[in-house]
Amino acid sequence: QTVVTQEPSLSVSPGGTVTLPCGLSSGSVSTTYYPSWYRQTPGQAPRTLIYNANTRSSGVPDRFSGSILGNKAALTITGAQADDESDYYCVLYMGSGNWVFGGGTKLTVL
Amino acid sequence: EVQLVESGGGLVQPGGSLRLSCAASGFTFSSYWMHWVRQAPGKGLVWVSRISSDGSTTSYADSVKGRFTISRDNAKSTLYLQMNNLRAEDTAVYYCATSNSHAFDIWGQGTMVTVSS
Repeated sequence: QTVVTQEPSLSVSPGGTVTLPCGLSSGSVSTTYYPSWYRQTPGQAPRTLIYNANTRSSGVPDRFSGSILGNKAALTITGAQADDESDYYCVLYMGSGNWVFGGGTKLTVL
Repeated sequence: EVQLVESGGGLVQPGGSLRLSCAASGFTFSSYWMHWVRQAPGKGLVWVSRISSDGSTTSYADSVKGRFTISRDNAKSTLYLQMNNLRAEDTAVYYCATSNSHAFDIWGQGTMVTVSS
């Protein structure tokens, strides 16, 4: 069974840039997996950030960008702010009407 | 305002059943594919099921296949998840979400399901 992989935790300094990777246990992520990204703070519903690898959802600041870097999808946050401290999830579409979430990355801003 | 409001969660014994609802407003519900996603306490998000805009096509995660049924009533702008033969590992917050280009778009606030004796 294919597993979507994410770094369990990452940290960034205020004002800094951080890239969150999203990979596959076997194979490479490409646009055919339609990678998407979501952020979630404790007790809150997820919020959509990026879909189709690099399209920002409505109202999402351009500090958030999505891309394919090498064999992984990536979410890059530039000019990190304190309230960017959240859990971030990627999702890949596996075809045949199935989606798989990564385990999430807990981002700390310090 | 685009809004999704889940309801129907609660405490149920193992082997029991529960039906979740997701009431949509502020958009043309019948035009959108819809999803259910769940999150066990302290764990990550897990995709559960999806239904096409007219209800003719559905898909399920392996963990719920044969036990859960997704459906919709476009006249009532409401999405459903019928959950049968519930297990302790089904304990989670269940979110409904609209679909947008192979991704999730608008999310509800979730409803908690607890399976315990």
